[in-house]
Amino acid sequence: QVLLQESGPGLLKPSQTLSLTCAVSGGSIRSGAYYWGWIRQHPGKGLEWIGYIYYSGSTYYNPSLKSRVTISIDTSKNQFSLKLSSVTAADTAVYYCARDLGTPRDGYNFRYFDYWGQGTLVTVSS
Amino acid sequence: DIQMTQSPSSLSASVGDRVTLTCRASQSIRSYLNWYQQKPGKAPKLLIYGASSLQSGVPSRFSGSGSGTDFTLTISSLQPEDSATYYCQQSYSTLTFGGGTKVEIK
Repeated sequence: QVLLQESGPGLLKPSQTLSLTCAVSGGSIRSGAYYWGWIRQHPGKGLEWIGYIYYSGSTYYNPSLKSRVTISIDTSKNQFSLKLSSVTAADTAVYYCARDLGTPRDGYNFRYFDYWGQGTLVTVSS
Repeated sequence: DIQMTQSPSSLSASVGDRVTLTCRASQSIRSYLNWYQQKPGKAPKLLIYGASSLQSGVPSRFSGSGSGTDFTLTISSLQPEDSATYYCQQSYSTLTFGGGTKVEIK
């Protein structure tokens, strides 16, 4: 059973940098079958994809956040991390890490998030 | 970005009812459409990927259909444990989610 667990500070002040880590257990983060992603959910709102990373270090970011986001991976620790700079109250959200898997069907490769962490609430307040 | 619009935003139905949720994309996404179920305080759970493939372990009362811009998630016989918010998500380009449909049990 694959488990993902987010960790990091739950309270930040405006202009600080959000730093979260996702520890993966029950499977290797080095597997070429997966991307490892971050998604957030503002209180009472929908879901927003932040970005993801491949084991090789290749990254893909949401253009709306790209200037402030860095996702990195540490294969030796089987974990990956998120940094979001210059946070404001608008970055208050539950942050999820998740595994992105691709499955071929009918000549296409369908990607989806099949395992998620339980989420961690990050509040930005002065 | 591709916008995903879900309707209705909420619904209330009785146990045993057939329930249909709709998701519309602002442009064609072929079949690159996933459905998730989220219960309060929990992470989303994958139900359907590729518009119509049932994720392993998900009850067969859930089914998905559609391609291009219009998609549906159907619950053939609503159960009490299906009370949740359902989100669609496209993986055709920059990933985006719909706003969700909240399903309540009468």
